[in-house]
Amino acid sequence: TQLLEQSPQFLSIQEGENLTVYCNSSSVFSSLQWYRQEPGEGPVLLVTVVTGGEVKKLKRLTFQFGDARKDSSLHITAAQTGDTGLYLCARMIYNQGGKLIFGQGTELSVKP
Amino acid sequence: DAGITQSPRHKVTETGTPVTLRCHQTENHRYMYWYRQDPGHGLRLIHYSYGVKDTDKGEVSDGYSVSRSKTEDFLLTLESATSSQTSVYFCAIQGPYGYTFGSGTRLTVV
Repeated sequence: TQLLEQSPQFLSIQEGENLTVYCNSSSVFSSLQWYRQEPGEGPVLLVTVVTGGEVKKLKRLTFQFGDARKDSSLHITAAQTGDTGLYLCARMIYNQGGKLIFGQGTELSVKP
Repeated sequence: DAGITQSPRHKVTETGTPVTLRCHQTENHRYMYWYRQDPGHGLRLIHYSYGVKDTDKGEVSDGYSVSRSKTEDFLLTLESATSSQTSVYFCAIQGPYGYTFGSGTRLTVV
């Protein structure tokens, strides 16, 4: 299957807390992308992870690609209200026009 | 940033009427995509194009057609709109650094 399962679907936390969002699949994928989407806008690419075990950091966001390349996580340290949004993971299917298959998303709300 | 614009941004239409959504890019990218976004489903691919007049179906293509007569324009048509096609539609282009999405078209079929 090419499905991506994200968890949790909804997350409401206070400013300053840490959180982790997960993206899992039963199949191996060659790369994974994370997007953030704000209301009324399209998704914006945050990062692409390619190598098993890879860790990438983007300010307070840490992205990890599982060793077996079947899962990925996004960890936010000291969340801020500006982190509020929908976080989506996606895998690219290279032999099908480079289309993206998305997880269902994690809706994050950070309260002041 | 790649230039990609969608029009219209909002539309309300009646069941059974035809609707065309437009996606325009200024970057000359080969690949363009149409997705729809519904609660609990993330984004799902409707159709994509890999060049002028070259298109293919995605996972939710029933009830939709597309056309690409110029590199810069990718049109999505609902031949006869149904209430199940009420959704937010996103166009995307694939550039050298990844995907860029438009701001979306919110379509309501009443």
